[in-house]
Amino acid sequence: EPEVTQTPSHQVTQMGQEVILRCVPISNHLYFYWYRQILGQKVEFLVSFYNNEISEKSEIFDDQFSVERPDGSNFTLKIRSTKLEDSAMYFCASWGNEKLFFGSGTQLSVL
Amino acid sequence: AQSVTQPDIHITVSEGASLELRCNYSYGATPYLFWYVQSPGQGLQLLLKYFSGDTLVQGIKGFEAEFKRSQSSFNLRKPSVHWSDAAEYFCAVGELSGNEKLTFGTGTRLTIIP
Repeated sequence: EPEVTQTPSHQVTQMGQEVILRCVPISNHLYFYWYRQILGQKVEFLVSFYNNEISEKSEIFDDQFSVERPDGSNFTLKIRSTKLEDSAMYFCASWGNEKLFFGSGTQLSVL
Repeated sequence: AQSVTQPDIHITVSEGASLELRCNYSYGATPYLFWYVQSPGQGLQLLLKYFSGDTLVQGIKGFEAEFKRSQSSFNLRKPSVHWSDAAEYFCAVGELSGNEKLTFGTGTRLTIIP
């Protein structure tokens, strides 16, 4: 089965630093997403992306967050100035074949 | 707005016993419902989904779920659990309006005892 690939698997950063989380969605999918899961909590929707623009974003996705599809394969989530509360597992996903395919996640730790 | 409730935070079941994980949803239109499983340190794997038609849906790993509109429920079942089923299980409701955004429940952690 095709896979969504995320890199890195773990990212440690200092508070206030910028981080970029990378994802390669499944090649023929058109809708892309970022979700996050704070330790012990539920998976939360951050943003959806279609046709090279954001189609919906949650309250969590404030001005510190941005997404980009810089080329035909990558889909990135940037956090400009990380905060302690940004520590979480971030999942990329893409939609196809009537289901959401998730990557294995990037564990972000903000110190 | 849609929401999902998984009333059981943690369930412990003996290996070989039957399992039912509860899920209740709130959604104004016809819901699209999903069950995902997350093993420790892993991503989310789709077990099964319901869009329409037969209200009893079969998934991978021997799981099934039944959609009951009158009860706003989509409970997950398995007749005989295996130790490898120990994981976190998430129910989700979909907004398939061109955005395909999912709203997840808080999850149920399943522990299997010998």
